Amino acid sequence: KAGVTQTPRYLIKTRGQQVTLSCSPISGHRSVSWYQQTPGQGLQFLFEYFSETQRNKGNFPGRFSGRQFSNSRSEMNVSTLELGDSALYLCASSPGLGLNTEAFFGQGTRLTVV
Amino acid sequence: QQQVKQSPQSLIVQKGGISIINCAYENTAFDYFPWYQQFPGKGPALLIAIRPDVSEKKEGRFTISFNKSAKQFSLHIMDSQPGDSATYFCAASRGNTPLVFGKGTRLSVIA
Repeated sequence: KAGVTQTPRYLIKTRGQQVTLSCSPISGHRSVSWYQQTPGQGLQFLFEYFSETQRNKGNFPGRFSGRQFSNSRSEMNVSTLELGDSALYLCASSPGLGLNTEAFFGQGTRLTVV
Repeated sequence: QQQVKQSPQSLIVQKGGISIINCAYENTAFDYFPWYQQFPGKGPALLIAIRPDVSEKKEGRFTISFNKSAKQFSLHIMDSQPGDSATYFCAASRGNTPLVFGKGTRLSVIA
């Protein structure tokens, strides 16, 4: 069974640009969550999608957005990039809503904003 | 406000020793407490998890101890091995709310 796939693995963008990251969950999993990981703040929750609907949202500005497609694949978008957005962005999938069941993380997308 | 406080930030343990990582939480409604292990260049992977109806859970060399009254839980790694060197994260959640993570502990097991 294939794991969670995130693309691209690495990305370098310039301040002010926008970026789209992609996540393909494990087959059959309907819940996808996104986290931002930085050395200083650790893992911070961005948002969670289930059946194409955003079910939970973290405390991030509106520049961060996401969506989920009918096949459960998810994308997150960051507009007007800032230097502080440099981080590892992790996607996690789980069979149902919420993460009280086992969540499987992808390897992440390393975003560097210059 | 940090809802889950993890300590220590880093830990060096001799091979064969016991590694102990502690977490404290504030929200008494939390009802799920997992530990994740992350190797460099990889995403976190679930190691072991506990619910507050039990005080201890053991899986192989890994044990979670849970103290509901103190709002604390800890991870014990027995017979620590160099291959256990990784960053460990505790987390907590309630119901269908997202996981709240501790800031992580970087464990180094030296021979």
